[in-house]
Amino acid sequence: ELKVEQNPLFLSMQEGKNYTIYCNYSTTSDRLYWYRQDPGKSLESLFVLLSNGAVKQEGRLMASLDTKARLSTLHITAAVHDLSATYFCAVDSSGGSEKLVFGKGTKLTVNP
Amino acid sequence: DTAVSQTPKYLVTQMGNDKSIKCEQNLGHDTMYWYKQDSKKFLKIMFSYNNKELIINETVPNRFSPKSPDKAHLNLHINSLELGDSAVYFCASSRQTGVNNSPLHFGNGTRLTVT
Repeated sequence: ELKVEQNPLFLSMQEGKNYTIYCNYSTTSDRLYWYRQDPGKSLESLFVLLSNGAVKQEGRLMASLDTKARLSTLHITAAVHDLSATYFCAVDSSGGSEKLVFGKGTKLTVNP
Repeated sequence: DTAVSQTPKYLVTQMGNDKSIKCEQNLGHDTMYWYKQDSKKFLKIMFSYNNKELIINETVPNRFSPKSPDKAHLNLHINSLELGDSAVYFCASSRQTGVNNSPLHFGNGTRLTVT
């Protein structure tokens, strides 16, 4: 059974700092997704990573995928308050089955 | 022009009641889902339908019954509600994976509280 682990689960950081959120998964998969959820809101898709070595960037966020290590990272550069949210990674459990297994989420708080 | 819309947004009901949540998507997607998010924010898939056909049915109590009258709608009916059913239920849709690898598009969620 596929397990997806994120760490840290809680992250408090100052504006202007850099940090990385990690997402490990237990079985082979070459599709990984990152989502953002604001409190009381829906989930918004951030990145879709489809192959080993994939790297995608949007603003201050950059996501990467290493399928051999079964690891994805979400790197935050020069954090700003607006990035405060919960970030989820999700892994496709068996290609084409439309079944995503989500990590427990990382609650990010960016302090001024 | 909301892409994935769920109703109601909030649902407060007593134990033992039966309730339904409705979901509609106007994205032309083939696949729709129900996810449950518990009080610790953990998200878990419950059901998935592709073109009205049930393709994923996780270990969910029989009291939960999804219905998809067409590929744009996926409703969730819950019988004999229990306290443990309290959660936020998210509907989502996607283009058929394995072809386009599209992400899920989520609705705004239905916060169910069972008292």
